[in-house]
Amino acid sequence: DAGVIQSPRHEVTEMGQEVTLRCKPISGHNSLFWYRQTMMRGLELLIYFNNNVPIDDSGMPEDRFSAKMPNASFSTLKIQPSEPRDSAVYFCASKLTGYEQYFGPGTRLTVT
Amino acid sequence: GEDVEQSLFLSVREGDSSVINCTYTDSSSTYLYWYKQEPGAGLQLLTYIFSNMDMKQDQRLTVLLNKKDKHLSLRIADTQTGDSAIYFCAEGGSGGGADGLTFGKGTHLIIQP
Repeated sequence: DAGVIQSPRHEVTEMGQEVTLRCKPISGHNSLFWYRQTMMRGLELLIYFNNNVPIDDSGMPEDRFSAKMPNASFSTLKIQPSEPRDSAVYFCASKLTGYEQYFGPGTRLTVT
Repeated sequence: GEDVEQSLFLSVREGDSSVINCTYTDSSSTYLYWYKQEPGAGLQLLTYIFSNMDMKQDQRLTVLLNKKDKHLSLRIADTQTGDSAIYFCAEGGSGGGADGLTFGKGTHLIIQP
């Protein structure tokens, strides 16, 4: 199994631009999570889906952030417009029943 | 709200035992976890413990849980250079495991030769 796949691995963009992060969960997994990691705030849960339905988006910082899961094998996290304080590593994780979340390698976002 | 606290750094000599400590606030947590993150990589689950247990051992890893004090620890026996990483404590809610995790900020384990 290829594990959780995230793209791009690195993204550098200018303030005000739209950024789209992508995630392909492990095949067969029915829950998907988006996390953000920064030095100051550590690892924060942004949103999670169960069976493609958003369950809890209370961690999404602002309306500039949106996430979708159109099918069981794909999810996106979009930031529009991006700001320098959005610079972070964004992780996607997926799981099936049971309690182990499998993390992707992350997308390092830099907004200048 | 939920909160997970852990020390930021721990330095140990190679071959010694490492003990990483964590405190949490959500008494309804069903599972508690230890994840490992190596540089430039995602998080990898090391081990977890169910909230009605007080100890779990898995090879060089020993997890101790004091539910009364909401204190969790991870002991790594015979610490090796390959153990150098950031270790995250996390708690899972009572939602049957389908919800997200609350993580501590991570403890950087530094191995001295």
